[in-house]
Amino acid sequence: AQSVTQPDIHITVSEGASLELRCNYSYGATPYLFWYVQSPGQGLQLLLKYFSGDTLVQGIKGFEAEFKRSQSSFNLRKPSVHWSDAAEYFCAVGSNYGGSQGNLIFGKGTKLSVKP
Amino acid sequence: NAGVTQTPKFRILKIGQSMTLQCTQDMNHNYMYWYRQDPGMGLKLIYYSVGAGITDKGEVPNGYNVSRSTTEDFPLRLELAAPSQTSVYFCASRLAKNIQYFGAGTRLSVL
Repeated sequence: AQSVTQPDIHITVSEGASLELRCNYSYGATPYLFWYVQSPGQGLQLLLKYFSGDTLVQGIKGFEAEFKRSQSSFNLRKPSVHWSDAAEYFCAVGSNYGGSQGNLIFGKGTKLSVKP
Repeated sequence: NAGVTQTPKFRILKIGQSMTLQCTQDMNHNYMYWYRQDPGMGLKLIYYSVGAGITDKGEVPNGYNVSRSTTEDFPLRLELAAPSQTSVYFCASRLAKNIQYFGAGTRLSVL
C-alpha cells in the first residue's frame, strides 16, 4: 500500500538559515510526488511537484525538492528561510496509473517555526 | 478566478444534527475529492467523484454521504453528527496528473 512518512513533526529554524524537510514514500513504481504548504487557518497550496525527468524540481517561494529513487525520498529544501515560511508542510504521493481515482496520500505533516 | 469554494468556513453542530458542506469549483474539473484533516494525522480521503453522477468511497467514508449532480458541485452530507466528526474538511478538484486544487476548508465542531 502507498504511504508517506514525514519523520519530523516540528522543526524550528532561525530566519536566514537553510531548511530541509524530510519525506519518504512507499510505492510500487515511480509515483507522482508533491509538497503542499498550509498556513494557519488556510487551505493547502501546491509548492512543487515531480512527475518524471530531472530529479531536482523547483517550486514557488524559493523552494526546491530532490527525488531520490534509491532512498524513496523527496526532501524539500530552501537555502534561506524567511519568517513568512512558518507554516505546516505536507508531502503527498499520487498514483500515476491512468485508471486510478487520482487521490493523494498525505504524510502527517511537519510544522515549521521560524525564530527571528 | 475563484477556484474551489467551500461554505461555510466554520460551523458548530450538536450531536445528532445534520448538515451539508458545500463545495463548488469553476475550473471544469471532472475529479473532485473530500478530505478530512485531524491534528497530527495529515489528510484522509472521505469520498471522491470522477464526474457527474459517479461517486465512490475513500478511506474514511462512514458517517458521510455525497452526491454529484453537476460538474461544478460536490456537497458532503453529515446525517447524524458525532463528536468524532469534529475536524477540518477540505474539498479539492483535480487537473491532470493528480494536481489537486484545494478549497480553504470548513472547520466543524460537534458538541
